[in-house]
Amino acid sequence: QGQLVESGGGVVQPGGSLTLSCEGSGFIFRGYGIHWVRQPPGKGLEWVAVISYDGKYKFYEDSLKGRFTISRDNSRNTLYLQMDSLRSEDTAVYYCAKGDSSSDAYDIWGQGTMVTVSS
Amino acid sequence: QLTQSPSFLSASVGDKVTIACRASQGITTFLAWYQQRPGEAPKLLIHSASILQSGVPSRFNGSGSGTEFTLTITGLQPEDFATYYCQQLNSYPLIFGGGTKLDIK
Repeated sequence: QGQLVESGGGVVQPGGSLTLSCEGSGFIFRGYGIHWVRQPPGKGLEWVAVISYDGKYKFYEDSLKGRFTISRDNSRNTLYLQMDSLRSEDTAVYYCAKGDSSSDAYDIWGQGTMVTVSS
Repeated sequence: QLTQSPSFLSASVGDKVTIACRASQGITTFLAWYQQRPGEAPKLLIHSASILQSGVPSRFNGSGSGTEFTLTITGLQPEDFATYYCQQLNSYPLIFGGGTKLDIK
């Protein structure tokens, strides 16, 4: 079925930077668009960004443009999210999720990695 | 914009429940439903508004098109008490509804 495993979360001060990673296995990683989704503590799901299977196309939630950068390395089966100028409101569990080939719905999710922005 | 209702729902094992999701503009059938249990990642239940994801029990049913969608669970089981989200997949940003928390009455 496939698996995604996130890493790189932690505690960072406001204004700081952090890079998350998401490694895929059990499926043809280079064949699918992959998304980042986040969930602030006790709140709902928020779509963050997507990158196409070949890395050519990237889309972001409007409020995150310029601070977050999505990228991928298909030779390493790994997705990244670079987060700069972090704010307290970026505190959340960050999930990576694979888009289904027919509908783009997320048929594989990672377990999530927690990012806490606090001084 | 996606508006889910209700935000909270109490029901008993064996009940039938319906959750609604309304889109602010037409999205044909580009809609998915997810289930999230506490402490877990979301799980895909239904895509393309009405297509059951492989391995998901048939008591889950999705319907609708355009702007009005519903998720129906017939014969609630103990493991169904969770939070449910809809998501539009028509255009970016791929927003989620606010969620419906289903708990035991």
